[in-house]
Amino acid sequence: GQNIDQPTEMTATEGAIVQINCTYQTSGFNGLFWYQQHAGEAPTFLSYNVLDGLEEKGRFSSFLSRSKGYSYLLLKELQMKDSASYLCAVRDPSNTGKLIFGQGTTLQVKP
Amino acid sequence: DTEVTQTPKHLVMGMTNKKSLKCEQHMGHRAMYWYKQKAKKPPELMFVYSYEKLSINESVPSRFSPECPNSSLLNLHLHALQPEDSALYLCASSQAQQSYEQYFGPGTRLTVT
Repeated sequence: GQNIDQPTEMTATEGAIVQINCTYQTSGFNGLFWYQQHAGEAPTFLSYNVLDGLEEKGRFSSFLSRSKGYSYLLLKELQMKDSASYLCAVRDPSNTGKLIFGQGTTLQVKP
Repeated sequence: DTEVTQTPKHLVMGMTNKKSLKCEQHMGHRAMYWYKQKAKKPPELMFVYSYEKLSINESVPSRFSPECPNSSLLNLHLHALQPEDSALYLCASSQAQQSYEQYFGPGTRLTVT
């Protein structure tokens, strides 16, 4: 089976840096995604990792270690609008295109 | 245009009603998805269409009936739903079923009374 773990809630201060961790146990590996979802809105794609290492995209970076079954999303220079749920998802190893989501981490950014 | 649109935005229906949710994309994507999301839970896959053919049905009850009339449109027909079916229904699309990025629509908030 597939299992994805991430913290339920996090709080950080505006202007700071926050790291959201995700660990996964899957029967294979075919890519890991991070999505941002504001309350009542659709998830929006943030990043994709399939090889080990860091992918940087503006204020957002995502890291993957396949040997450890571990990823993190790093948000720098936090803004109030970054308050949202952050979903870690792995693609079904059977290559069906199915995304298996973690429970999501609700991030609250405080002034 | 990287937009997936969904209508209606909100829907309230009784358990004996028949209604349909609609999803549209004009990105030339050939894979389209229906997800169900309950409050404070992640999206759960319901159906996948690839090249207008049903590719995956995640053991969804038959009161949910998907339809893909053409490569740009995806419908979800609803009949005899239960109150526990109340949720946010999200449509998504990707270039192909194995493509890495799925674009999500804004969702339809469904309430079954």
